[in-house]
Order: sequence, then structure tokens, then C-alpha cells
Amino acid sequence: NAGVTQTPKFQVLKTGQSMTLQCAQDMNHEYMSWYRQDPGMGLRLIHYSVGAGITDQGEVPNGYNVSRSTTEDFPLRLLSAAPSQTSVYFCASGRTFLGGYEQYFGPGTRLTVT
Amino acid sequence: GENVEQHPSTLSVQEGDSAVIKCTYSDSASNYFPWYKQELGKRPQLIIDIRSNVGEKKDQRIAVTLNKTAKHFSLHITETQPEDSAVYFCAGVINTGTASKLTFGTGTRLQVTL
Repeated sequence: NAGVTQTPKFQVLKTGQSMTLQCAQDMNHEYMSWYRQDPGMGLRLIHYSVGAGITDQGEVPNGYNVSRSTTEDFPLRLLSAAPSQTSVYFCASGRTFLGGYEQYFGPGTRLTVT
Repeated sequence: GENVEQHPSTLSVQEGDSAVIKCTYSDSASNYFPWYKQELGKRPQLIIDIRSNVGEKKDQRIAVTLNKTAKHFSLHITETQPEDSAVYFCAGVINTGTASKLTFGTGTRLQVTL
């Protein structure tokens, strides 16, 4: 079991460029999420999905798109990168159980936009 | 939506002392409260959780308490060790039956000094 994997680990973009951050999980979890982590601001939810074909916005969705065509994959697309999107991005997958919710994070992608 | 506040933002204790981190939540629908530990440069990892029908849970040196009436929950670490040094995040989860969303606190940086 690889768990949650993310690629790339590091990325530098120029303002206006686009790119896709990849995320995959092999635990057959129905839930997948993308967070960004900035100093002093904790983890903020960008987009999430409750199953293949179903996505919804989180707290900070502007500038990002997602799709979920399979249970395993949940890519995050930056359409036109801006310096404000410099951050560490974590993908997570999870499942509900009676009275609770287990969520596991990927290793993260450190993105710098110049 | 849910709002989770976490205090203190930084905490320094001597090895062997206890550490307490406190969180409050706003939405009474929150019914599950996980705690994550994030070491420098690594992903957040679940260390303990508590469900809304439980007042206290303990796992070796860590324990969590929940006061539903006051809408606050706390993480207690006893006999702290240098390897406990990390950033700790609390979270509140609302399970609606069709979706589960985590809202994180802003984190507490714990430093255990020798």
C-alpha cells in the first residue's frame, strides 16, 4: 500500500503559467481533498470530492480547478499561477466510519510562483 | 460554516513536563475531533481522535478531552520528550451522512527543551 502519493515534490512556476498537481490513493477511499498550508494559517481546504464525478469547493477555491474521474486520482489544476499561490499543497484521502472520519495526507508539494 | 480556534500558537515546555493545547469550535453539528502532529517538513499525521459521545480518550502519554456543552476540546501530553516537538493541529468534523469536512485550527508549535 503506497497510501496517498503526490507529484511533483517541488515546483517553480512563473506568473501566468499553468500546471497540474497530481494526487493518487490506493486505499479505495471515497473522500479526497486538497489543502494549502501557509505559515501561521494552518491547513485551508481548497476543493474536495466525495466520490468519482463529485467535487465541491472548500474555503479557498479561487484560482484552482479539480476533477475526479476515478476513485484513485484527484488532480489539482492551477490555471494561471500567481505569487499568492506560493504554498505547500497537501492532498488527502479519507473514509467515514461509525461516528468518525479517518483522513490521511500525502507528502506534499512545495510550489513557488515567481 | 465551522470555525475552530486553537491556543496557544506556540508552547515551550521542559522535558518531562506536561503540555496542554486547547481548541474551541463553533458548530454544534461537529461530532468528531481528530488531532494531527506535523514534524518539520513532513505531512500531518493523525495521533488521536475523539467522538462526540465520549468525554475523554487516552493513548499512552497523550489524552484528549471534550466538553460538548462548552464546545471545547483539549490535547494533553504528559512526560514530554524531545521527539514530541512538532506542530499540532486540532480539527472539527461534521459528518452529514453524505459528506465529511474537516476544519483545522491554526496549529500550535510545541518545543520540548532539554
